[in-house]
Amino acid sequence: QVQLQESGPGLVQPSENLSLSCTVSGGSVSSANDYWSWIRQPPGKGMEWIGYIHYSGSTQYNPSLKSRVTISVDTSQNHFFLNLGSVTAADTAIYYCAKERILSGGITRGFDYWGQGTLVTVSS
Amino acid sequence: QSALTQPASVSGSPGQSITISCTGTSNNIGNYNLVSWYQQHPGKAPKLIIYEVGKRPSGVSNRFFGSKSGNTASLTISGLQAEDEADYHCCSHVGNSTFRLFGGGTKLTVL
Repeated sequence: QVQLQESGPGLVQPSENLSLSCTVSGGSVSSANDYWSWIRQPPGKGMEWIGYIHYSGSTQYNPSLKSRVTISVDTSQNHFFLNLGSVTAADTAIYYCAKERILSGGITRGFDYWGQGTLVTVSS
Repeated sequence: QSALTQPASVSGSPGQSITISCTGTSNNIGNYNLVSWYQQHPGKAPKLIIYEVGKRPSGVSNRFFGSKSGNTASLTISGLQAEDEADYHCCSHVGNSTFRLFGGGTKLTVL
């Protein structure tokens, strides 16, 4: 059973960087058909896909966040990471890491495993 | 990209059936059978209940049924139970890309 756990600061100052990590257990970030995403949910609102990374290093980002986002992976430690720059109050949200299985031809089996989420508040 | 459109809330009595809609465009739901649905209880992580429009992961009750017509996907829950009370989110692949688009979420109340 794959388990994911987010970690990082709960409070970030405006204009600074938001950095989170996701520890994967019970599975490997190096699995060929698994892609590792960050998804966020502002309090009381719907979810927003931030982007994903494949163990090969391939990344895709939400165009609305692309200029501020970097997702990276450490296969030796089975972790992956989110860095979001120049944050504002609008970036306050619960941040989830999640696994998505994508088969050949781009067929996605959905986000089948999720972390519990971590609330990040942007405030001075 | 605008979020997929879901009703803010739906309700039903135990034993009844309800349907939650998720409306997009031809650039997402309309031309791709890559819609997934997630159940989220308060304070909990989302749980995948439907993928590829109408497929259920192992262990998900067959009371959950997914379908699609045109640009609208739907989630039907039959035989409503108190434990079904939760938020439900739809998600779709977008265009010729790897972008994922969510709906705004629907709160299901079991009366």
